[in-house]
Amino acid sequence: QVELVQSGGELKTPGASARVSCQPSGYTFNTYGINWVRQAPGQGLEWMGWITPSNGNTNIAQKFLGRLTLTTDTSTATIYMDLTRLTSDDTAVYYCARTQVLDYWGQGSFVLVSS
Amino acid sequence: QSALAQPASVSGSPGQSITIACIGSSGDVGSYNLVSWFQQYPGKVPKLIVYEGHKRPSGVSNRFSGSKSGNTASLTISGLQADDEADYYCCSYAGSNSFVFGGGTKVTVL
Repeated sequence: QVELVQSGGELKTPGASARVSCQPSGYTFNTYGINWVRQAPGQGLEWMGWITPSNGNTNIAQKFLGRLTLTTDTSTATIYMDLTRLTSDDTAVYYCARTQVLDYWGQGSFVLVSS
Repeated sequence: QSALAQPASVSGSPGQSITIACIGSSGDVGSYNLVSWFQQYPGKVPKLIVYEGHKRPSGVSNRFSGSKSGNTASLTISGLQADDEADYYCCSYAGSNSFVFGGGTKVTVL
């Protein structure tokens, strides 16, 4: 069965960077694109970006340009999300979700930005 | 990219039908048949309940139905049940592998 397993939560200080990983299983890794979505406490879902694992092409939401990098490691079939220059506004649960219909989601990774 | 517009809350009595609108633009909802709807319980992962505007994943109740007219997508929940009480989000493809979510709608079963 399809699963997307994410890395654990992190505590970061303002100005630091956060890395969240997403490791899909149950299907051929390169077949489908992956979205990154976040949800701040008590808030709605926010689309951050997309990566096509087969070629590494990405599309980053305007809001995150210059701060968000999405990469893949095909040797371990893992997708990474790196967000830099963190502020308290980046405190959120970060999700990876598969395909253009976001059919399968990771379990979420909580990133807390606090001094 | 502006968020899709959803009502903040919708309520209904058990057995009734409710409809949640998701208003986009010609750049997203109006141009693509790629609107998804998600159900989310507090503290849980969003669950896909409708995709490509009107299709249901396997295992999703047929009480959930989606439609689209112009720049507006809609989710209808018929035969409202207590466990339908949750947050619902729409999401539309907006071209070039970009997406936009609605602000979410809290459904309350009276």
